[in-house]
Amino acid sequence: RKEVEQDPGPFNVPEGATVAFNCTYSNSASQSFFWYRQDCRKEPKLLMSVYSSGNEDGRFTAQLNRASQYISLLIRDSKLSDSATYLCVVMSMNSGYSTLTFGKGTMLLVSP
Amino acid sequence: ETGVTQSPTHLIKTRGQQVTLRCSSQSGHNTVSWYQQALGQGPQFIFQYYREEENGRGNFPPRFSGLQFPNYSSELNVNALELDDSALYLCASSLIEEGDGYTFGSGTRLTVV
Repeated sequence: RKEVEQDPGPFNVPEGATVAFNCTYSNSASQSFFWYRQDCRKEPKLLMSVYSSGNEDGRFTAQLNRASQYISLLIRDSKLSDSATYLCVVMSMNSGYSTLTFGKGTMLLVSP
Repeated sequence: ETGVTQSPTHLIKTRGQQVTLRCSSQSGHNTVSWYQQALGQGPQFIFQYYREEENGRGNFPPRFSGLQFPNYSSELNVNALELDDSALYLCASSLIEEGDGYTFGSGTRLTVV
């Protein structure tokens, strides 16, 4: 089983649609959770951190369920500029250093 | 506050050659991590440097090595290049005391032919 698994893509949605991404992770000792966004041929950029209480940033809502080791990202009212690959990321501590483990990413294509 | 800069941006090498990639960390950050991102995959952790020493390593062979300098900048060296080494190499700096707060550079795209 892969450490971080995401929905296979791509997701093709029209502008204004709501889209949800799902992610599961295998390391129950993982400490922090993130969604990153990566545009084509660019570096990943932090979209938002994910907390058990759920957190929202404008049109974006992230949720973490530690018991089921599940992370989600909801995008409401999709914009053309939301087209990108969304990476689910888990941070773990190993003998004094932290490691980011990335999922494979789910590509989102928003069309007019 | 300067971000993370990587050089070169693109590189083409022949199988069997050696390559050195460079990274300047963000001001105030003392830790550098390197990641390899193959096409269609998420980034994979190569190793991390803190206080000029490797303090963590992913599942990569010894021909992947690195250095960190007193100014916290870093190099990634890959010997005996293989075709499968073709990837985007990402450098990320952070402050070890904070654990998270990674800033990624724009990467070096390496093609091995």
